[in-house]
Amino acid sequence: ILNVEQSPQSLHVQEGDSTNFTCSFPSSNFYALHWYRWETAKSPEALFVMTLNGDEKKKGRISATLNTKEGYSYLYIKGSQPEDSATYLCASNTGFQKLVFGTGTRLLVSP
Amino acid sequence: NAGVTQTPKFRILKIGQSMTLQCAQDMNHNYMYWYRQDPGMGLKLIYYSVGAGITDKGEVPNGYNVSRSTTEDFPLRLELAAPSQTSVYFCASSYAPYNEKLFFGSGTQLSVL
Repeated sequence: ILNVEQSPQSLHVQEGDSTNFTCSFPSSNFYALHWYRWETAKSPEALFVMTLNGDEKKKGRISATLNTKEGYSYLYIKGSQPEDSATYLCASNTGFQKLVFGTGTRLLVSP
Repeated sequence: NAGVTQTPKFRILKIGQSMTLQCAQDMNHNYMYWYRQDPGMGLKLIYYSVGAGITDKGEVPNGYNVSRSTTEDFPLRLELAAPSQTSVYFCASSYAPYNEKLFFGSGTQLSVL
């Protein structure tokens, strides 16, 4: 069974701080790496899908990088805002259809 | 554009009862999925479908059944509900199997007592 690990489990930062999370996954038979943002009482929403080693994606203040050779991805949030408070999920798959999710990093941004 | 519509939002079942969670998408996606979310755990894949008439087991299929008679609908059936099935259930769909993002429904909070 593919194991996707996320760290840290939770994070509490002040408004304006920049922060980053890690997602680790097996590097063999890699297909894709997904990042989702999950706000309380809502459903997960996709941030990025990355497939190529060295991929970098950016959406506003949020960016992500991918290293498929060593099996990790970083998610960066620049200048965190209270509205960034959410759980950030990553998911990867080595099988064609079976995306495996990590347990998430819970981010709390205080004003 | 409604996206993925999932019903009901909440349900309480007694042990041994059965129910169907409904899921419909209007994006003409071939790929649909059912996940469950337990506290402290990642989303676990229950069943998935690659198109009408085709379904397959995911990581945790025991106690569940699915069908896919149309591209739009992918209901999840719980037979003989057990307390271990208390969870939050999410339906999702995607245009492609792994390199396109998933669109999630709003979730169903199910308690089996």
